Amino acid sequence: EIVMTQSPATLSVSPGERATLSCRASQSVSNDLAWYQQKPGQAPRLLIYDASTRATGIPARFSGSGSGTEFTLTISSLQSEDFAVYYCQQYNNWPPVTFGQGTKLEIK
Amino acid sequence: EVQLLESGGGLVQPGGSLRLSCAASGFTFSSYAMSWVRQAAGKGLEWVSAISASGGSTYYADSVKGRFTISRDNSKNTLSLQMNSLRAEDTAVYYCAKGGITVAGSIKNNWFDPWGQGTLVTVSS
Repeated sequence: EIVMTQSPATLSVSPGERATLSCRASQSVSNDLAWYQQKPGQAPRLLIYDASTRATGIPARFSGSGSGTEFTLTISSLQSEDFAVYYCQQYNNWPPVTFGQGTKLEIK
Repeated sequence: EVQLLESGGGLVQPGGSLRLSCAASGFTFSSYAMSWVRQAAGKGLEWVSAISASGGSTYYADSVKGRFTISRDNSKNTLSLQMNSLRAEDTAVYYCAKGGITVAGSIKNNWFDPWGQGTLVTVSS
């Protein structure tokens, strides 16, 4: 099973600033990596797939990068609606599909 | 608009059974794999099960293998999860999600988009 590890667990950033979230895979997943955003009481929403492709309707301030075992989600200028929990997910080698434990992005 | 609507959650005693359903609309249901993903309160996401577009292949997390059965009815655009021998640790919100496509017999591009709103399953005496 591929273990996905996200860091940090909590990230405190001020609105308008840049946020950088990390995700590491225990073995290479090529670029088969997705990012999701989840707000309280809501289902997760797909942000990024194939490590760097924005999903339909996702603002350009969200960008993904990386391949192999190291991945990054960057939010270039944080808006109030961006404060949420973010998960990475690998779909290269499954079952099982595996998720990271999440990074909570909170207002500083 | 692509929509997924889960139903069937509720309170069940340990050892009991429950059947979840997910009604899909707004896309060609029979062309996509589907998955169930669950989330315990205050915890992260855990993939539970997947089924290929045709229904011919099914996949399970070790934690539910032998107890849960995923199925689909492409004529009714419906996904199901039969859950037997339920345990307290199965308590969670269960989401259905549209997944990848089948290429040469394997499910590729298995990211999840969209997700349903979720249905709560509580296993307690």
